[in-house]
Amino acid sequence: QQQVKQSPQSLIVQKGGISIINCAYENTAFDYFPWYQQFPGKGPALLIAIRPDVSEKKEGRFTISFNKSAKQFSLHIMDSQPGDSATYFCAASRNNDMRFGAGTRLTVKP
Amino acid sequence: DSGVTQTPKHLITATGQRVTLRCSPRSGDLSVYWYQQSLDQGLQFLIQYYNGEERAKGNILERFSAQQFPDLHSELNLSSLELGDSALYFCASSATTGNTEAFFGQGTRLTVV
Repeated sequence: QQQVKQSPQSLIVQKGGISIINCAYENTAFDYFPWYQQFPGKGPALLIAIRPDVSEKKEGRFTISFNKSAKQFSLHIMDSQPGDSATYFCAASRNNDMRFGAGTRLTVKP
Repeated sequence: DSGVTQTPKHLITATGQRVTLRCSPRSGDLSVYWYQQSLDQGLQFLIQYYNGEERAKGNILERFSAQQFPDLHSELNLSSLELGDSALYFCASSATTGNTEAFFGQGTRLTVV
């Protein structure tokens, strides 16, 4: 059973555009929502994370928006760059029992 | 470099065989997690260990088992291998069982022929 649903599966954005990836979770016990970035041949690396007591967190060009009542959260990448091309995974966790979404392959065209 | 070491990086084996994947967590990290990543699927959580004890179990097949040793390294044993077991297997570690950053290794690519 998929506890975290992620969309879209793939995304193509022009350089300078905004990339938006959405996730929805089912278990209200989750209390930590990280986003991981994975480049080909590498393991996932933490990009940004949020806890449910805030509705938004921004780090540089990356922003997480969190809607607790809707059980949804999203990643916004502003001014997307070709170097952002990677696979992005959202996750939901409780006590570091982390469940991942299926991933979004982002391609940023120059 | 995440500080998590996985060996081997690549493994090719025949159906029906058994393999062992090894993970050394970051220094001081007590939690180890195993994930399977197939071509058309995301990261599937297999199992978590904390300080030598199993803490959480995900979609791990009965043919698979894991353990964490006193020195905190972990091994994932895959037996009676099938073609469908071909995947990337990632190990991750974190400091505690609380919600902190999990650091991933570079993975072991298993090919079953």
